Amino acid sequence: KAGVTQTPRYLIKTRGQQVTLSCSPISGHRSVSWYQQTPGQGLQFLFEYFSETQRNKGNFPGRFSGRQFSNSRSEMNVSTLELGDSALYLCASSFQSGRDTQYFGPGTRLTVL
Amino acid sequence: AQRVTQPEKLLSVFKGAPVELKCNYSYSGSPELFWYVQYSRQRLQLLLRHISRESIKGFTADLNKGETSFHLKKPFAQEEDSAMYYCALNPGNTPLVFGKGTRLSVIA
Repeated sequence: KAGVTQTPRYLIKTRGQQVTLSCSPISGHRSVSWYQQTPGQGLQFLFEYFSETQRNKGNFPGRFSGRQFSNSRSEMNVSTLELGDSALYLCASSFQSGRDTQYFGPGTRLTVL
Repeated sequence: AQRVTQPEKLLSVFKGAPVELKCNYSYSGSPELFWYVQYSRQRLQLLLRHISRESIKGFTADLNKGETSFHLKKPFAQEEDSAMYYCALNPGNTPLVFGKGTRLSVIA
């Protein structure tokens, strides 16, 4: 099976712009979670989608949003980018929500200038 | 509140020496715990989960409910073990809770 894929792998944006990141889960997986990874804070949970519904949301401002499509692919959007949004954004998929093992994608490296 | 603590940001050991990466958790229910590893320029990948009780790449981890710990151990470190290690708690219907990670550096 192909692993979790994320596009694009690298992005450079300027403050105030918006960005959309995409995640394709492992075939058959219905749950997609998003994380922000930074050297100082480690991995912080953004949100989780299951069958097109947001199940959980982390403690991030409303500028961060996401959605999931019927084929389980997911996108996350960040509007009005700030310098502090520079991070590696990871997507993880699992068969179902809950206690299934999560499999991670390679991440999208976002740099905000 | 659910919390995972990895007290060491960086752990340096010599090749062939034993390794212990510490992980303590705070959770009132029955925990499910994982260790994830991230090698340089590679994706985060599952190393082991406590319910499987298996040894992967020579690493083992035992859940100690009394001490609320899930330390990762390996008797003889190898250079290829150098990586970032994350302990994670899966509470069930809420998201994975990760520790801040420990960077293991194995010195030749």
